[in-house]
Amino acid sequence: EPEVTQTPSHQVTQMGQEVILRCVPISNHLYFYWYRQILGQKVEFLVSFYNNEISEKSEIFDDQFSVERPDGSNFTLKIRSTKLEDSAMYFCASSASFSNQPQHFGDGTRLSIL
Amino acid sequence: TQLLEQSPQFLSIQEGENLTVYCNSSSVFSSLQWYRQEPGEGPVLLVTVVTGGEVKKLKRLTFQFGDARKDSSLHITAAQTGDTGLYLCAGALSDSWGKLQFGAGTQVVVTP
Repeated sequence: EPEVTQTPSHQVTQMGQEVILRCVPISNHLYFYWYRQILGQKVEFLVSFYNNEISEKSEIFDDQFSVERPDGSNFTLKIRSTKLEDSAMYFCASSASFSNQPQHFGDGTRLSIL
Repeated sequence: TQLLEQSPQFLSIQEGENLTVYCNSSSVFSSLQWYRQEPGEGPVLLVTVVTGGEVKKLKRLTFQFGDARKDSSLHITAAQTGDTGLYLCAGALSDSWGKLQFGAGTQVVVTP
């Protein structure tokens, strides 16, 4: 069964450094998402992306965050200047459409900021 | 703002017993999805419900979407130890571009 794959599985970075989290969505999906889950808390929406544009973003997704689809298969989340509070699991998801189609999640990247 | 309330937070039962997990909101959702999440892994989709009153069955799991599309339940019949896990509900509002609102989850433990 097709799946969403994320790399790396674990990223350790010094505070203030830039990180790029990578995702390969399911191949025939056109809608992409990033979520994060701080340890012990709920999964939180960050951003949705379609047709090379951000469709919706949350208050968490401020100027230090950006997303990109650099080629036909990858979808990336960049955090420009990491803070301690950015430590979390980051999940990528994809779906066939925005409405009433299920989102399939990758196994996440655990980001640890030191 | 807690859009989706899941209850109970924790549920421990013995193998063979039945259980029900609830997901409630004051908001109307265009669709609602149930996931199961294991430690250190991503949520795995179990089912999507879109029509008020809809009932879907997945082997021993029965999912129901409320008539008003504000609430949902997950019922497991004759639970097995393999059903142990964190069950999450997530809803999409009609005016959102795919944004899912997640509940906090129900941790289910099934003991032999």
